[in-house]
Amino acid sequence: QSVLTQPPSASGTPGQRVTISCSGSSSNIGSNTVNWYQQLPGTAPKLLIYSNNQRPSGVPDRFSGSKSGTSASLAISGLQSEDEADYCCAAWDDSLSGPVFGGGTKLTVL
Amino acid sequence: EVQLVQSGAEVKKPGESLKISCKGSGYSFTSYWIGWVRQMPGKGLEWMGIVYPSDSDTRYSPSFRGQVTISADTSISTAYLQWSSLKASDTAMYYCARQKSAGGGNLWFDPWGQGTLVTVSS
Repeated sequence: QSVLTQPPSASGTPGQRVTISCSGSSSNIGSNTVNWYQQLPGTAPKLLIYSNNQRPSGVPDRFSGSKSGTSASLAISGLQSEDEADYCCAAWDDSLSGPVFGGGTKLTVL
Repeated sequence: EVQLVQSGAEVKKPGESLKISCKGSGYSFTSYWIGWVRQMPGKGLEWMGIVYPSDSDTRYSPSFRGQVTISADTSISTAYLQWSSLKASDTAMYYCARQKSAGGGNLWFDPWGQGTLVTVSS
């Protein structure tokens, strides 16, 4: 059971906009920033969004993040087949004194 | 290019010991915390702990404290994760990652190593 809650799956067709939610609590998302990682099949996680809504160099602006209260969202616009991957949210947890992760959302591009 | 390169896959028997490694390059290895993350088959990511190579300060998740040892050797820019007695339940992919910070609880992992698959089976 992951500390942060994500839907196990999401799907969309090419060109669509999809959002993935991430729910936490006051000790993690409520008081710290949220990061998102993309894990393509058979590969290591890669940083996609940090500090709630910042994109590392090289990440397309089709990916955006937002946070409100104890929840966060990842939005992917102009969906492409290469976006098919697992997406995982994460945030520092003050009770744990370490990061906590969501269980991951498997995105399927139909 | 900032890079973390992990040691290769391991197949071990229950009760055996193991030490896997993570070599950093392209940045000042002593200036950033290095974390270890477990991913069991078909499951999500779990934070195990972190080490600050400069002074070997180490923090563990309560779930992993006493189960593993995290360390670093600055002379070869390498962090380690080790077990003294493996169990079948330790079968998983293990990732190292560099922790970056913008202050307070604003922290993230980037980049990640490619992962080390550990299989424990009799």
